[in-house]
Amino acid sequence: GENVEQHPSTLSVQEGDSAVIKCTYSDSASNYFPWYKQELGKRPQLIIDIRSNVGEKKDQRIAVTLNKTAKHFSLHITETQPEDSAVYFCAAARIQGAQKLVFGQGTRLTINP
Amino acid sequence: GAGVSQSPSNKVTEKGKDVELRCDPISGHTALYWYRQSLGQGLEFLIYFQGNSAPDKSGLPSDRFSAERTGGSVSTLTIQRTQQEDSAVYLCASSLTGATREQYFGPGTRLTVT
Repeated sequence: GENVEQHPSTLSVQEGDSAVIKCTYSDSASNYFPWYKQELGKRPQLIIDIRSNVGEKKDQRIAVTLNKTAKHFSLHITETQPEDSAVYFCAAARIQGAQKLVFGQGTRLTINP
Repeated sequence: GAGVSQSPSNKVTEKGKDVELRCDPISGHTALYWYRQSLGQGLEFLIYFQGNSAPDKSGLPSDRFSAERTGGSVSTLTIQRTQQEDSAVYLCASSLTGATREQYFGPGTRLTVT
């Protein structure tokens, strides 16, 4: 089955700097890659996703890149703000079939003022 | 409309007792997931229901854990003979058909086994 590895487990950056979180996946048939954000004491929420027919997707200060050959994808947050502090989870799944979403272990991002 | 709801929000139980956790998914969502999240840890997959298909139970940690989904809607996660290591937040999520649909998470049930 699919296995998703996420790095780093913790990340601390200065406010205004960029943050990058990386994930690798094992199932070459996976073609859907969402990212979820979980603020302290709250439930996870989808922030961005990408399908394998594109290599990059942007939404304001966040972007996700995908390298299908290397089987890895990354989340990029630019001009970080205190409200970006949270745990971020990557995930992978196949679009076809009733396959479940497999999550990475999570990255705790702290933005230092 | 209403989001995913879970009950109870908190549950304290004695070791060895059975507990039932309830999840009410968003109406019309055919997929339902249960996850376990220990303090500061990731999302541990437990079980996945998709429509009328047989559930994917591959994440259940032991035979003390079971779950059912009645009428394709409400789901109950049952833990028998609870152990202290079962203490965690149990999250339920639902989505429209297919793994690529956004999962909407419930607020979770915080289970404490004393």
